[in-house]
Amino acid sequence: QQQVKQSPQSLIVQKGGISIINCAYENTAFDYFPWYQQFPGKGPALLIAIRPDVSEKKEGRFTISFNKSAKQFSLHIMDSQPGDSATYFCAASLSGSARQLTFGSGTQLTVLP
Amino acid sequence: DADVTQTPRNRITKTGKRIMLECSQTKGHDRMYWYRQDPGLGLRLIYYSFDVKDINKGEISDGYSVSRQAQAKFSLSLESAIPNQTALYFCATSSMVGYTFGSGTRLTVV
Repeated sequence: QQQVKQSPQSLIVQKGGISIINCAYENTAFDYFPWYQQFPGKGPALLIAIRPDVSEKKEGRFTISFNKSAKQFSLHIMDSQPGDSATYFCAASLSGSARQLTFGSGTQLTVLP
Repeated sequence: DADVTQTPRNRITKTGKRIMLECSQTKGHDRMYWYRQDPGLGLRLIYYSFDVKDINKGEISDGYSVSRQAQAKFSLSLESAIPNQTALYFCATSSMVGYTFGSGTRLTVV
């Protein structure tokens, strides 16, 4: 069974703090790891993605850290803002393509003002 | 107009009724998907279609059926709705870049 395990299920952070969401996978053939952000009443939208040939990717306040040997990857949100409050999903896919994703169970992030 | 449009946005139906959720896309993508979202369970794949003639079951296809009427249209049917099918349903398309999701259909079966 191809699975991606995500934690925590919910996270509360103060404004300006760092939010960290973790994911672990079993299938070593996974080679594309995106994160999706979902606001209430909306569908998930691609936030940032990484491939296993790099250990870190940063886009603005959002950073993915990737540990291939541990089969883990995480999303770090620096200087968290109330507008970052959303549900975040990690995902993984095979064959270097974004076209067949396995999703984690989601993390509901609340950033307090 | 949205790239992926789902109708209806909200629906309440009774147990045993047949219901269809519709999805259309303007992305021109071949691949389309139906997911359901439940709290704590994430996004679970119901059915996916690689093109009009290629439809595949996902991990939770029991109780659901789909129809790919055209490249742009992919509908999901519940032949006889039951209360545990109450959920948020998403249609999505995909390309090499990633998935594009619709805004979802909130279905309640009473």
